[in-house]
Parts: sequence; C-alpha cells; structure tokens
Amino acid sequence: GIQVEQSPPDLILQEGANSTLRCNFSDSVNNLQWFHQNPWGQLINLFYIPSGTKQNGRLSATTVATERYSLLYISSSQTTDSGVYFCAVTLTLKYTGANSKLTFGKGITLSVRP
Amino acid sequence: DVKVTQSSRYLVKRTGEKVFLECVQDMDHENMFWYRQDPGLGLRLIYFSYDVKMKEKGDIPEGYSVSREKKERFSLILESASTNQTSMYLCASSLFQGKAFFGQGTRLTVV
Repeated sequence: GIQVEQSPPDLILQEGANSTLRCNFSDSVNNLQWFHQNPWGQLINLFYIPSGTKQNGRLSATTVATERYSLLYISSSQTTDSGVYFCAVTLTLKYTGANSKLTFGKGITLSVRP
Repeated sequence: DVKVTQSSRYLVKRTGEKVFLECVQDMDHENMFWYRQDPGLGLRLIYFSYDVKMKEKGDIPEGYSVSREKKERFSLILESASTNQTSMYLCASSLFQGKAFFGQGTRLTVV
C-alpha cells in the first residue's frame, strides 16, 4: 500500500517562530489533507489540498503532486498551535472502494513554548 | 458545519465482551471510516465504507467487524474484546474523496 511519511517526527518551537512540516507519499494521489489534533484528541481539518497552495491565516500549505510531497507552513507560532499534525492521502485507483481509502502518516508532534 | 458524533467518550469493557462503537454523521456523506490511534503508530485504518452495506477492510481489520445499515451510521464491533484492543478509536466521514471530518474519539479500555 501507499507509504505516507512525515518529518520531522517532533518539533519544539519558541513562540513567534516559523516552521515547515513535510509530508512525502509514495504513489499518485487524488487528494491530500492536513489535520491538527489538539490536546483533547479532536482532529480538525486544516487543508484539503490535492495540488497548489492555500492559505488560512498564519497557516499555509503547498502540495506538489508530481513530486509527491506537501508542506505545511506555520508562521508566528502560538502555544495554541501545539499538538499533532497529520497528513492523509487518498490514492488514484480504479474502483470506488479503493478510491475512498484515506491513509494517514504517523504525525508530527509540535510543542510551542511561551 | 458537519457533525460527526461518537456514542461514547470513554468506555471500559471486560475481556471477552462484545463491544459496539457507534458513529453518526449528519451531512449525507458517502464515506465513513474507523481508525484506531496508538502512541507512536499514528492513525491506522480498521475498516471503511463507501456506501450503505458496502465495506472494505483497512490495514488492521483483525478482531473487528463493521455494520452500515443506514447512510448516517457506521458501527464498529469488537466481537470478543481483548486487552490489546485498548486504544483511542476515531470515526470520520467525507463525501467521495472529499474533506474528512472526525468525531471526538472514544477511549476504550479493556480490562
């Protein structure tokens, strides 16, 4: 099956710093999504980004599908950005069932210190 | 906003019990998913469903089954709970290849 690798596995930032989180995937994908899991375990969808660049406040994401990677940028980090960041992909395959399968990476644990 | 609701936030069950985890979504999504999350292993897909009565095995289906009799509801069944099934269980839903939305999670402890 598809491999989704995220790096770095852990990241510690001082409040106000910028960071880049990376997601590599091993096969052609139909879509890519970034999620943030808060300390209470809730997963929030940050971006749905099969290709190109999107921005949402201090966060932006870029996916280069032809080179099989995506980047999540966090600028002027805040303590509330702490948590685990996941990327997830859906493969480009022929039959409906397989096209629906959403596969996650292992996540990047971000700690932002005041 | 999409709402995905899991029936319990915390659950404690005994070894050998049959356990039902329920998930309901209110946005007429075709796809529904069950994941388990364990430290260091990320989210691993147990089963997913892309239509009523349609299901597909994920990466770790052993010891689990699912049921989707209605579009809005997707149930995860542990036929005979074991201690190695102690975990956080997360349900999600989406349109076909669309943006996915998660429930709040069920932390299951099997004693």
